[in-house]
Amino acid sequence: AQSVSQHNHHVILSEAASLELGCNYSYGGTVNLFWYVQYPGQHLQLLLKYFSGDPLVKGIKGFEAEFIKSKFSFNLRKPSVQWSDTAEYFCAVKDASGGSYIPTFGRGTSLIVHP
Amino acid sequence: AAGVIQSPRHLIKEKRETATLKCYPIPRHDTVYWYQQGPGQDPQFLISFYEKMQSDKGSIPDRFSAQQFSDYHSELNMSSLELGDSALYFCASSTGTPNYGYTFGSGTRLTVV
Repeated sequence: AQSVSQHNHHVILSEAASLELGCNYSYGGTVNLFWYVQYPGQHLQLLLKYFSGDPLVKGIKGFEAEFIKSKFSFNLRKPSVQWSDTAEYFCAVKDASGGSYIPTFGRGTSLIVHP
Repeated sequence: AAGVIQSPRHLIKEKRETATLKCYPIPRHDTVYWYQQGPGQDPQFLISFYEKMQSDKGSIPDRFSAQQFSDYHSELNMSSLELGDSALYFCASSTGTPNYGYTFGSGTRLTVV
């Protein structure tokens, strides 16, 4: 079974600072990877996803993530955060072999951006 | 664009009561997933349906049941509610092979008092 580890539970940044949220997973097979964002009081929204191809994935709102297979990592980055990026960020991993359609979510990272 | 619709948005119930949560997937999505998210917790998968049949089962308590109807909407029935059932319940929908990630509804916030 997969497991997902998000190292930073709480991150506090000032506007314009750069962001990197760590995500590591444990699964030896082929995976699909996702980052979801949950703004305060709202539902989960897909930020970006990786299935295959270029390991550097561009998402919405200036976010990107890099899949490093050798490190089992899929870290989320943004060069310059805004106050509106304050939210909870969830990394999710799914077995791409079709054995299960259910992704495993990490515990989430709470990001607070000070104006 | 149409999204996943959940109703009600908020629900307050007393212990031992029952609750029914509804989820209307995006048109032409045939798969529905239910998640429970406790305060400060990650979403925990409960159960899913594909073409009106249960397709996968997660950590859904025996007190809960769910089904998917012919119009693909789904209902989560919760009985003998406990204080610990207070959470945000999300529904997500996708096509049969969700390699594209899910589309989540806005959730139903259930408070058991």
